[in-house]
Amino acid sequence: DIVMTQSPDSLAVSPGERATINCKSAHNLLYSSNNKYSLAWYQQKPGQPPKLLIYWASTRDSGVPDRFSGSGSGTDFTLTISSLQAEDVAVYYCQQYFLTPFTFGGGTKVEI
Amino acid sequence: QVQLQQSGQGLVKPSQTLSLTCAISGDSVSSNSAAWNWVRQSPSRGLEWLGRIYYRSSWIEDYAVSMRSRITISPDTSKNQFSLHLNSVTPEDTAIYYCASGWALFHWGQGTLVTVSS
Repeated sequence: DIVMTQSPDSLAVSPGERATINCKSAHNLLYSSNNKYSLAWYQQKPGQPPKLLIYWASTRDSGVPDRFSGSGSGTDFTLTISSLQAEDVAVYYCQQYFLTPFTFGGGTKVEI
Repeated sequence: QVQLQQSGQGLVKPSQTLSLTCAISGDSVSSNSAAWNWVRQSPSRGLEWLGRIYYRSSWIEDYAVSMRSRITISPDTSKNQFSLHLNSVTPEDTAIYYCASGWALFHWGQGTLVTVSS
C-alpha cells in the first residue's frame, strides 16, 4: 500500500493569513498517460462527508474558491489556503489514486 | 450533477453481515467512465478505502486486500445503485461508511454510521 504522510497534524492560522499543509507519498504519483499526479485534496467539516477540493494535484474542482491551491510533484505535495476564512475551519486530507488500495493521509486540522 | 443516496442498517450484531446500498442519480452505474467506491472512517483507522466496482465491457471488482475475504460490492443496474456487503463483522468494523464516485472521489454519499454491537 502507498503510505501518505501529512504534516502538520494541526495548525492555527489568523483570518486572512496563509495556511500550508504538506503531504508526502511513499511512491511517485506521476500518471504517465497524462503526465499528471494522481493526488487529491479534501476538506471535511464535522458531520459531513469529505468534499473534493483539488485533483490531479493542482486542478480545483468546480466551485472551489481560488484561495485554495495545490502544488507539488513526485512524492511531495502541498495544499495552500492563501487567505484563511472562518468557513475554512475543517480537517483536510490528501489521497492518492495512483494505485489501489487508494490511501489517505491522516488529516490536518485547521483552526483559527 | 451526480448525487449518491445511502441506505441500510445502522446496527449490526457481531458475526453478521453489514449491508448498505448507494442509489445513484445523475449518472449510470454501468457508465464506461465511472467507478463506484466504498470508504469508511473511524477514529482509529481514519479514512479507509474498502473497494470499488466499475464497468468496462464487463464488471470489475477491486478490493482492499485486508477486506478481500469478507467484502462484496455489487451493482444493481435495474435500480441504478450499488451495494456493499461485509460479512463476519466485529466491533472493529464500527465506522461511518460512505459511498463515493470516481478515482479522485468527486461525489460522496451522506454517510451511514454503522455500529457493530450485540
